[in-house]
Amino acid sequence: GQNIDQPTEMTATEGAIVQINCTYQTSGFNGLFWYQQHAGEAPTFLSYNVLDGLEEKGRFSSFLSRSKGYSYLLLKELQMKDSASYLCASLDSNYQLIWGAGTKLIIKP
Amino acid sequence: ETGVTQTPRHLVMGMTNKKSLKCEQHLGHNAMYWYKQSAKKPLELMFVYSLEERVENNSVPSRFSPECPNSSHLFLHLHTLQPEDSALYLCASSQVLGEAYEQYFGPGTRLTVT
Repeated sequence: GQNIDQPTEMTATEGAIVQINCTYQTSGFNGLFWYQQHAGEAPTFLSYNVLDGLEEKGRFSSFLSRSKGYSYLLLKELQMKDSASYLCASLDSNYQLIWGAGTKLIIKP
Repeated sequence: ETGVTQTPRHLVMGMTNKKSLKCEQHLGHNAMYWYKQSAKKPLELMFVYSLEERVENNSVPSRFSPECPNSSHLFLHLHTLQPEDSALYLCASSQVLGEAYEQYFGPGTRLTVT
């Protein structure tokens, strides 16, 4: 079956670094997306990885290992506004997104 | 107006009511999607439209009926819903179907079935 696993909730301190992990098992693979969703708002695109390695975009970076079925989202210099849910989604062989349940990130001062 | 809009933002309906959710995208995209989001569960894909034709129907109960009159508008018609249908309903669009384009989401309709 198809499955995406990510932690339900994480807590981190303002100014620190946090890594949110995601493991996936899908029928085929055409890339891995990360989205951010603030409470009561729409999910917004953060990153897309299809090749192994690290993609850096400002304070946010995303890593992919296809052989391990593993990705992580790295958030640096955390700000209070980074409190949100982070959704991992794998694009399967039919180009359909298979979603994780999301990781709720709580930032404390 | 830009992006993806949805109306209404909140909806409370009884099990015998009929209502419709509306989605509009101003991005010139060819693919549109309906998702159901329940607390602590993954997003569930309900329907997919590409160039106004339905291409996906993931075993959704017939009490949910989609309509796509043109590439910019998508509706979800609701009738005789159950309390377990209470959830956030998200509309999304992407440039084309079948390629790795990001999806743009609307703010959702928070539906409560009483």
